[in-house]
Amino acid sequence: KAGVTQTPRYLIKTRGQQVTLSCSPISGHRSVSWYQQTPGQGLQFLFEYFSETQRNKGNFPGRFSGRQFSNSRSEMNVSTLELGDSALYLCASSHREAGELFFGEGSRLTVL
Amino acid sequence: GENVEQHPSTLSVQEGDSAVIKCTYSDSASNYFPWYKQELGKRPQLIIDIRSNVGEKKDQRIAVTLNKTAKHFSLHITETQPEDSAVYFCAALSEGKLTFGTGTRLTIIP
Repeated sequence: KAGVTQTPRYLIKTRGQQVTLSCSPISGHRSVSWYQQTPGQGLQFLFEYFSETQRNKGNFPGRFSGRQFSNSRSEMNVSTLELGDSALYLCASSHREAGELFFGEGSRLTVL
Repeated sequence: GENVEQHPSTLSVQEGDSAVIKCTYSDSASNYFPWYKQELGKRPQLIIDIRSNVGEKKDQRIAVTLNKTAKHFSLHITETQPEDSAVYFCAALSEGKLTFGTGTRLTIIP
């Protein structure tokens, strides 16, 4: 069974630009969640999607958005990038709520 | 919302000794508490979890204890080995959101 796949793995953007990250969950997993990981801040919850609906949202500004498609693949978008958005963005899929999260390898975003 | 505090932020132990990492949470409605291990440059992976109706769970050298009254839970690793060196994250599930602690960097000294 293929694991969670995230693309791109690395990207560099400049302030003001926007970025779209993609996540393909494990086959059969309908829940996809996104996390921002920065040194010292741990893993901060961005949002979770289940069957194309945003089920939960973390405390991030509206510049951060996401969506999920009918095949459970998910994308997240960050508009008007700021230097502080530089981070590792991790996607995780799960078979059910309160179940094990399977993480992707992440997309490392650098904003210059 | 839920707030999870994790201590210590760094921990060094001699190989063969035990390591304990502690977390506290704020929302008494939280009902699921997983622990994830992240090795350098790799993705986080679940190592053990506990649900609110259980006080303790053990899996070989790893155990987790939960005190619902005090709202804290702990990870215990016995007979530590070099491969235990990693960053460990605790988390608590509340209202469908999983809130992570800030992580503990565990270093095993040979």
